[in-house]
Amino acid sequence: EVQLLESGGGLVQPGGSLRLSCVASGFTFSSYAMSWARQAPGKGLEWASLISGTTTNTYYPDSVKGRFTISRDNSKNTLYLQMNSLRAEDTAVYYCATDPRFGGSYFGPGTLVTVSS
Amino acid sequence: DVVMTQSPLSLPVTLGQPASISCRSSQSLVHSDGNTYLNWFHQRPGQSPRRLIYKVFTRDSGVPDRFSGSGSGTDFTLKISWVEAEDVGVYYCMQGTHWPWTFGQGTKVEIK
Repeated sequence: EVQLLESGGGLVQPGGSLRLSCVASGFTFSSYAMSWARQAPGKGLEWASLISGTTTNTYYPDSVKGRFTISRDNSKNTLYLQMNSLRAEDTAVYYCATDPRFGGSYFGPGTLVTVSS
Repeated sequence: DVVMTQSPLSLPVTLGQPASISCRSSQSLVHSDGNTYLNWFHQRPGQSPRRLIYKVFTRDSGVPDRFSGSGSGTDFTLKISWVEAEDVGVYYCMQGTHWPWTFGQGTKVEIK
């Protein structure tokens, strides 16, 4: 059974940093691209970053480019999202997700990040 | 960025009746590899999104066959042949052809 479990969310002041982690199990983690999606309270969904399986190419939307860094440790089956210079508009539930373009799309339960003074 | 526009945004339905959601993209979703990466997701309140359909019409494992996807290019449709109580929630289309991938605004389905 595929499982994704995020951690690291919490309350942070504007301008602060936070590092999210996602531990994956039930599939060959290194073989798949992984991503972070986010959802502001009461709002729709937005992709926050993407990382390839083994080449570790990374992709970001303009809204987070230069502030967020996605990475992975295939030896630990773990995905990370380093978030710097956080803004109020970054407040959201952050989901770890497998590549949704192909078979077997999975999301974790999510972790809430609140940016507020 | 590719803009995904869904309609309607709210869809009251009667149990047992069909329902349909439209999704239009601001540019073609045909990838250079020949695939069209158009997905449909369902999200219940307080839950993570669940993918129902990928590459326009391929149903995910465990998704009832009353759900079907169709379309091409820039126009896509999700159809529910008959609505059951468990189908309530918000439906999102999503394109994975052009980065950044983008979602539609969501269509809230509720029972009349």
